[in-house]
Amino acid sequence: DTGVSQDPRHKITKRGQNVTFRCDPISEHNRLYWYRQTLGQGPEFLTYFQNEAQLEKSRLLSDRFSAERPKGSFSTLEIQRTEQGDSAMYLCASSLNGHSYEQYFGPGTRLTVT
Amino acid sequence: AQTVTQSQPEMSVQEAETVTLSCTYDTSESDYYLFWYKQPPSRQMILVIRQEAYKQQNATENRFSVNFQKAAKSFSLKISDSQLGDAAMYFCAYRSNQGGSEKLVFGKGMKLTVNP
Repeated sequence: DTGVSQDPRHKITKRGQNVTFRCDPISEHNRLYWYRQTLGQGPEFLTYFQNEAQLEKSRLLSDRFSAERPKGSFSTLEIQRTEQGDSAMYLCASSLNGHSYEQYFGPGTRLTVT
Repeated sequence: AQTVTQSQPEMSVQEAETVTLSCTYDTSESDYYLFWYKQPPSRQMILVIRQEAYKQQNATENRFSVNFQKAAKSFSLKISDSQLGDAAMYFCAYRSNQGGSEKLVFGKGMKLTVNP
């Protein structure tokens, strides 16, 4: 399977704990995006990378959130001191530079903060 | 800031019939892209169709077509010959082609049910 993959698919954590999610984009894609989707809403943009450079961050990305893409391949999204309001589906997408701007989405990581 | 509005939270259609999903958006930009994405239950989001704002011709992809009205800022999706596999959440999305931002701005989505 050469699609976007995300790990884990589900994560349950207690409030105050740190969590980290991983996204592996389609191999030749140099752009990688993170979105958050809460119940009954459309995805909301968090941040995106071109290769290893983080080019844009949403105001939704508070100081407790950090994303990295150290070698321009996979990316991690870390949430520190989780809060119940962080419960959501975290979606990753990737795209090929200059090619139709289509973003290919992964299956998401569902986070539940108890 | 750009916004996307999907005013119908749910719709249903009979198998083999046609259904139209509505979307409006607000922007001051002239160069942008519009998308319809489909999110089946417990499955990942996939692109259904894309429209470039500079193109006057409406995009079509097999049974899917759009009605793009730039002046009215309207972007509806028509699904012809509906199939059971079309049942999903449908999201309308906007992407600027000015200023370097590549983020997608999504509407709240619409749940489509296809009745056999």
